Amino acid sequence: DGGITQSPKYLFRKEGQNVTLSCEQNLNHDAMYWYRQDPGQGLRLIYYSQIVNDFQKGDIAEGYSVSREKKESFPLTVTSAQKNPTAFYLCASSRTSGGHNNEQFFGPGTRLTVL
Amino acid sequence: KQEVTQIPAALSVPEGENLVLNCSFTDSAIYNLQWFRQDPGKGLTSLLLIQSSQREQTSGRLNASLDKSSGRSTLYIAASQPGDSATYLCAVGNSGYSTLTFGKGTMLLVSP
Repeated sequence: DGGITQSPKYLFRKEGQNVTLSCEQNLNHDAMYWYRQDPGQGLRLIYYSQIVNDFQKGDIAEGYSVSREKKESFPLTVTSAQKNPTAFYLCASSRTSGGHNNEQFFGPGTRLTVL
Repeated sequence: KQEVTQIPAALSVPEGENLVLNCSFTDSAIYNLQWFRQDPGKGLTSLLLIQSSQREQTSGRLNASLDKSSGRSTLYIAASQPGDSATYLCAVGNSGYSTLTFGKGTMLLVSP
């Protein structure tokens, strides 16, 4: 089955810790995205990658970092610099970025809670 | 900067009703528009994608329309069922960029 997997489903972090959220896709998509979802605020883009070894900041990149060493993987690290990291994190991918082929498909999400 | 608004924020209807969800956007220079469904605590499921050159798309009981010039899209759900209860999100693919701008969603409850 083709799709996007995210792990873990739930993650708890102590203040001052870095944590890494995993996102893997087997759809052979070039582009991958990370969003944050908070109640009442909708989805906000953190980072996106159009191709391996390249990525761009989204609207709320501060306190986050990413890497794109493989086409199928786009991990997100939430650093201690992110002051309010408790949220639902969603990963997505699309066949290409931009233009008419950027229909996005989403993973099941990771809920991060800071203790 | 593109802004996407969805009205109403919440909607409650009895089973069997036909209903319309609205989405408006401020910049008409778009590549496409995508409608998603989200169940509580879950990821997003893509329902329909309308390219900027298209007027509408249909999938089963769902029909989405697009009027670029007026900056509006509607999602029509025919013969609603309790299983349609979810949050519906509209997202616009912006020309010249590779990202989507999302609305805040409409929470739909269909009661038996």
